[in-house]
Parts: sequence; C-alpha cells; structure tokens
Amino acid sequence: AQKITQTQPGMFVQEKEAVTLDCTYDTSDPSYGLFWYKQPSSGEMIFLIYQGSYDQQNATEGRYSLNFQKARKSANLVISASQLGDSAMYFCAMREPNTGNQFYFGTGTSLTVIP
Amino acid sequence: NAGVTQTPKFQVLKTGQSMTLQCAQDMNHNSMYWYRQDPGMGLRLIYYSASEGTTDKGEVPNGYNVSRLNKREFSLRLESAAPSQTSVYFCASSGWRRGNQPQHFGDGTRLSIL
Repeated sequence: AQKITQTQPGMFVQEKEAVTLDCTYDTSDPSYGLFWYKQPSSGEMIFLIYQGSYDQQNATEGRYSLNFQKARKSANLVISASQLGDSAMYFCAMREPNTGNQFYFGTGTSLTVIP
Repeated sequence: NAGVTQTPKFQVLKTGQSMTLQCAQDMNHNSMYWYRQDPGMGLRLIYYSASEGTTDKGEVPNGYNVSRLNKREFSLRLESAAPSQTSVYFCASSGWRRGNQPQHFGDGTRLSIL
C-alpha cells in the first residue's frame, strides 16, 4: 500500500486565489511527521512546512498552511494568495521514526498559477 | 552555508560503464539518503543510512551500491550502468529520528545512460 497518496497530478489556480493540494497518508505508527516540499522547474527541493502527529494545531508558515485531519489521515497543503512563483511541483512526505528514519514521498502535484 | 553537496551535476555514461555519485553534508546530520526521480513517479528511495556505519535498502536498490564513508559523506555507485538508470539522483540528509527536522536535499545529478 502507498504510504503517501497525492491524487491531483495537476492543478491550476488563478493568481491571488487560494489553492488546496491534497495528501493522504497511511501509517500505524502513532508518532510520525508530515512535510511538504516545493520543486520549481530549476529542480531543487525546498522544504515548506511540517506537521507532527501530536501537534494540536495546524501548522502555518507565511502563506502556507497545513490542514491536518488526523482521523482522516490527510495533510492537505493550503497556499493562500497564489503568486506566479508558486508554479512548481509539490510533494507531500511522511517520516516514520521507527522505520530507520525513512521518509516516504508522494508522486507530486504540478501547480500552475495563471495570471 | 553549503548544506548538501552533490557531484557531479551532470553525467553521460555508456551502458556498462561504472561511476560513483558523491554526496557530502556539513550539517552534522546522522541520516543520509539517495533517491532517484523519474517523471510521474516522485522520489523513490534507493538506499539510506540512518546513522554512520549503517546502510539499508530502500524501494529500488537493484543495480546500486552505497558507502557511508563517514558521518559527512554518502556515495552511490552504479557498477554497470543500464539505460533504465537514466534519472535525476538526489542526495538528502536529516537530523534526529524524532522531531520536526526535514530532509535537506542536494541540487541533484542528472545522469543519462546511452
């Protein structure tokens, strides 16, 4: 079974609008971490935001927020006030400390911001 | 502030040739990883090293070997390159097993095998 599922291969959003990128995960470990990364066309992987499994509040970092629904095992990334520079691939990842500190990645969502 | 450094950035090989991808991190991280990225498949883990002195197979280890030379360096070797190994390779490192420490990535190596 896939540890991380991203069901949206491609998304479009109008500039200045908000967009939600979906991510669901699968783990039986009570302790885990969830991460989102951005990969622009230049290729580098940029860490955006983190959510711990025991965190009571949703994580926020500037225009990025993580909609964490533990019972549903979802960790959706919300980007507010989209900018042209947000056009990129976005990857959801999960860390399981009890599996040798492995990280598991989804297949990514390609976001295009339309002017 | 170098972070994770990968060399080379680009490489073209002929089928059957061997080569080693180098990776070094200067963040005193315990864990290091090698991934390959192919279109539509996200990042797939080849090998990882949870701590110095240990290495483990990931999802797609066949055709590769690794060496954790010391805490800083983690190399990936292709003994006999095949066209199916054409990909972008990323090295990453991470801190403690618990907590909010993300992986830090190198800039990638674009490898083509003819």
